[in-house]
Amino acid sequence: GAGVSQTPSNKVTEKGKYVELRCDPISGHTALYWYRQSLGQGPEFLIYFQGTGAADDSGLPNDRFFAVRPEGSVSTLKIQRTERGDSAVYLCASSLNTNLQTQYFGPGTRLLVL
Amino acid sequence: AQKITQTQPGMFVQEKEAVTLDCTYDTSDQSYGLFWYKQPSSGEMIFLIYQGSYDEQNATEGRYSLNFQKARKSANLVISASQLGDSAMYFCAMREGARAGSYQLTFGKGTKLSVIP
Repeated sequence: GAGVSQTPSNKVTEKGKYVELRCDPISGHTALYWYRQSLGQGPEFLIYFQGTGAADDSGLPNDRFFAVRPEGSVSTLKIQRTERGDSAVYLCASSLNTNLQTQYFGPGTRLLVL
Repeated sequence: AQKITQTQPGMFVQEKEAVTLDCTYDTSDQSYGLFWYKQPSSGEMIFLIYQGSYDEQNATEGRYSLNFQKARKSANLVISASQLGDSAMYFCAMREGARAGSYQLTFGKGTKLSVIP
């Protein structure tokens, strides 16, 4: 079956602009996670959804970052007033549920803020 | 303190040889899970193998095995019979189970493996 998909694969924007990154999880997976990976580092957790609700948003760096999952499937990560430091690869993962299930990752969106 | 430590920034291995990638972890939880992911240059994180803290036997998946030493808090990945396609970044990750509502993975900084023909 299809894996996790993310769009766009690459996004270039200017400082101060608003961006939206989309994640389409594996069908039937109720848990969805967002991570951010800076160059030369491992991914860092941002937020996780169980169904439609954000169960843990402790990794969001500040209030410019927000994510939604209105129907419990597709999720959108929204970044307002982008800064150059937001440049990174944004990875989405999903799992069947949260109970010790493996997270499967998408290909990521490479965000570059000029 | 780092929760996941990968001390080898880069490793080289001859094709068809075995290689061990090191990972140590730090947690006070009794229930936790340890994962290894492979990240080729294309960027996608590919799940390789999982070890639960209560699993008595070391996990194996094809050419991958996890050398789990709980007392030493280590979870090393062993790749047997290396292939050129194994060249990639490898990340060790941990999920701690005790905190309600938190299922995030904590990753190490990774090891870059290069397989030499």
